[in-house]
Amino acid sequence: RKEVEQDPGPFNVPEGATVAFNCTYSNSASQSFFWYRQDCRKEPKLLMSVYSSGNEDGRFTAQLNRASQYISLLIRDSKLSDSATYLCVVNARRSGYSTLTFGKGTMLLVSP
Amino acid sequence: EPEVTQTPSHQVTQMGQEVILRCVPISNHLYFYWYRQILGQKVEFLVSFYNNEISEKSEIFDDQFSVERPDGSNFTLKIRSTKLEDSAMYFCASSGQGQSNQPQHFGDGTRLSIL
Repeated sequence: RKEVEQDPGPFNVPEGATVAFNCTYSNSASQSFFWYRQDCRKEPKLLMSVYSSGNEDGRFTAQLNRASQYISLLIRDSKLSDSATYLCVVNARRSGYSTLTFGKGTMLLVSP
Repeated sequence: EPEVTQTPSHQVTQMGQEVILRCVPISNHLYFYWYRQILGQKVEFLVSFYNNEISEKSEIFDDQFSVERPDGSNFTLKIRSTKLEDSAMYFCASSGQGQSNQPQHFGDGTRLSIL
């Protein structure tokens, strides 16, 4: 089983649509969770951390279910500028230090 | 906003040569990392560095690789005797603290092409 698994995508949606990304992780000792976005051939950029109680940042809502080892990201009212690859990222402490494990990402294409 | 900077942006090297990739982490950060991303694949952890020593490394980070913090600002990744399969984007990252809930901030990467 892959450490962090995401929907393969790509997702093609029109502007204004709501889109949801799903992610599962295999390491039950994982402690922190993030969504990063990555534009083509660019670096990953932090979109938001994911908290156990769920959290929202403008049009973006993240949810975490530790029992199911499942993370989600919801984007409402999608914009053209949301087109990117969305990376589910899990942080587990190994030997006392944190390391990030990335999913392969789900590409989002928002069209006019 | 402070950022992680990497040089060069693109490095082309003959197979078998040594390369050094350079990074300047965010100035008050204490934890430094290298990741790589082979074209079309996921971002993979290579190594983390704290207090002038390696704190964690992955299976990828074998004897071919080394890291160094030669002065107070630079953090380097050296790859000896490069192979074709070392071609990838290499990202440096830093974080203020080592706790797992601290996000890591990435530089814009060095594209390494081995010929």
